[in-house]
Amino acid sequence: DQQVKQNSPSLSVQEGRISILNCDYTNSMFDYFLWYKKYPAEGPTFLISISSIKDKNEDGRFTVFLNKSAKHLSLHIVPSQPGDSAVYFCAAPSYNQGGKLIFGQGTELSVKP
Amino acid sequence: NAGVTQTPKFQVLKTGQSMTLQCAQDMNHEYMSWYRQDPGMGLRLIHYSVGAGITDQGEVPNGYNVSRSTTEDFPLRLLSAAPSQTSVYFCASRQAGADTQYFGPGTRLTVL
Repeated sequence: DQQVKQNSPSLSVQEGRISILNCDYTNSMFDYFLWYKKYPAEGPTFLISISSIKDKNEDGRFTVFLNKSAKHLSLHIVPSQPGDSAVYFCAAPSYNQGGKLIFGQGTELSVKP
Repeated sequence: NAGVTQTPKFQVLKTGQSMTLQCAQDMNHEYMSWYRQDPGMGLRLIHYSVGAGITDQGEVPNGYNVSRSTTEDFPLRLLSAAPSQTSVYFCASRQAGADTQYFGPGTRLTVL
């Protein structure tokens, strides 16, 4: 049972345009979400998070939107830069098993100059 | 402050061999975890520890052992490697009460 889903394995965007990465979840008990960015041959690095008491959180070029009724969140990158090319994972803490993170499958973003 | 470090970066094993993947963190985090990443499956939890001397199983623990004798170190042992354990392994740590986990650079393991 995939509790966190990223249905788009890949996304290609032109430099300067907006990148929108989507994530859906099934467990209504999730109350916090994180986005991680992963470059090849490196570990995931924390990018941005959102609590379920908010519907938007912004950090520079990165904004995460949360729609609780639809159990959907999205990460917007504006403007997209070639250095943003990476795999992006959304994740939710489960509050059991040591607070394990439940990850989506990841979306590989390619930003073309 | 090195964060989370892992050794080795790459390893090739033959079926049946054993080895230990090392993980260390210098942030004094109580919680440490091991995940594996497989294509199309995101990261899945293998084992975790909530403090020195305390470990427990995650989603996919079979074939792996862990121990936590110090706050800093959390080694992962493969007892008898199998091709199904070919994967990229990530160690992570976090503070108690925090949701953000910090990941090491990973170990790419191939079992022939």
